[in-house]
Amino acid sequence: QKEVEQDPGPLSVPEGAIVSLNCTYSNSAFQYFMWYRQYSRKGPELLMYTYSSGNKEDGRFTAQVDKSSKYISLFIRDSQPSDSATYLCAMSGDLDDKIIFGKGTRLHILP
Amino acid sequence: NAGVTQTPKFQVLKTGQSMTLQCAQDMNHEYMSWYRQDPGMGLRLIHYSVGAGITDQGEVPNGYNVSRSTTEDFPLRLLSAAPSQTSVYFCATTPSGTGVTDTQYFGPGTRLTVL
Repeated sequence: QKEVEQDPGPLSVPEGAIVSLNCTYSNSAFQYFMWYRQYSRKGPELLMYTYSSGNKEDGRFTAQVDKSSKYISLFIRDSQPSDSATYLCAMSGDLDDKIIFGKGTRLHILP
Repeated sequence: NAGVTQTPKFQVLKTGQSMTLQCAQDMNHEYMSWYRQDPGMGLRLIHYSVGAGITDQGEVPNGYNVSRSTTEDFPLRLLSAAPSQTSVYFCATTPSGTGVTDTQYFGPGTRLTVL
């Protein structure tokens, strides 16, 4: 079992819909959870990170962590065509630990 | 301020050839790393450096060498290229930590094909 599992998609939703992206993980030592966005032929960019369980909101984006289920989510409200990208979850056990990435989910927002 | 630059953007090699992928940053960041990204595999850490003169192995180091003689540069060397090294290579930097809470800045990538 891989440490981080993420459905590769693609996921296609209409503009304005709420998008839910998810990852599961097996390592209970993970405490830091990140979401990256990667546009086609570009490097990834950090969207947000959370520590331990709970929610974190940043504009239209909400990250949610459920450590008891080893499950994390990224919600995008009022989705826009410019949100079309690959979204990668990433995790780490400590501030100095290496980061383990999921495979990424390709998201298409249809105008 | 160019951020993180990588050269070349594209490269085709024959099996057994060697080459160096260049990465440079002008942000005075201590931490630099190399990742490879393959379809269906996500990003995997190859090597990293916490400062000039210090390097360490990541998840998939075999077939690659690195050195860090200056803060600005972190080249990745392929000693004897193999088709399994066909991938997109990203260099990344953070001010200090591994990028868990610090923003990790990625370069534009080098697309490498080994025939």
